[in-house]
Amino acid sequence: SSELTQDSAVSVALGQTVRITCQGDSLRNYYVTWYQQKPGQAPILVMYGKNNRPSGIPDRFSGSSSGNTASLTITGALAEDEADYYCSSRDNSADHYVFGAGTAVTVL
Amino acid sequence: EVQLEQSGAEIKKSGESLRISCKVFGDRFGNNWIAWVRQKPGKGLEWMGIIYPSDSDTRYSPSFQGQVSISVDRSISTAYLQWSTLKASDTAMYYCARRGLLGSYAFDVWGQGTLITVSP
Repeated sequence: SSELTQDSAVSVALGQTVRITCQGDSLRNYYVTWYQQKPGQAPILVMYGKNNRPSGIPDRFSGSSSGNTASLTITGALAEDEADYYCSSRDNSADHYVFGAGTAVTVL
Repeated sequence: EVQLEQSGAEIKKSGESLRISCKVFGDRFGNNWIAWVRQKPGKGLEWMGIIYPSDSDTRYSPSFQGQVSISVDRSISTAYLQWSTLKASDTAMYYCARRGLLGSYAFDVWGQGTLITVSP
């Protein structure tokens, strides 16, 4: 099965820009999906498809992808953006799904 | 508004059986895949499996194949995750999630989670 690789942690100064990356072979064939999870809460969807934000997700979140690498960018990070971010995609084999290990974003 | 409501926390002993539930509100139950995701304490998300309620077509992660069973009861718009023999290593938070965006593999609505604690 496919794997998705993420940095374990990144930090960003308040109001600055941070990019979270995700690498994996499945990203050559399937769009990445990004989830945000805050402590004690269920994950929420923040980005899907080519660069689509669900209703209610601020436009400071954006996504991009090239080859086997996808990125989630937070432009003008706020304290409320501090969370774990997981990438996910459909697996290359069968109708399975895979999650990255998650990136902990700290807003300084 | 679509909501997934999961059953409450469980404390079980190793070797016992368990079934937890995920009831779907505000959606045509048969039309969207429902997935189960495990999260061990302090760890990341793991995809366990997925079911299409309309025909009960089910796919399992190789890591969970044979370890759990996923099913639905269409009459009450509810999906289930079941263990026949729990192990201490099954201690985790379990989430159900809907794959509800046409043309996308994203899980757009999540349940609140069910915490399962299994003692040795």
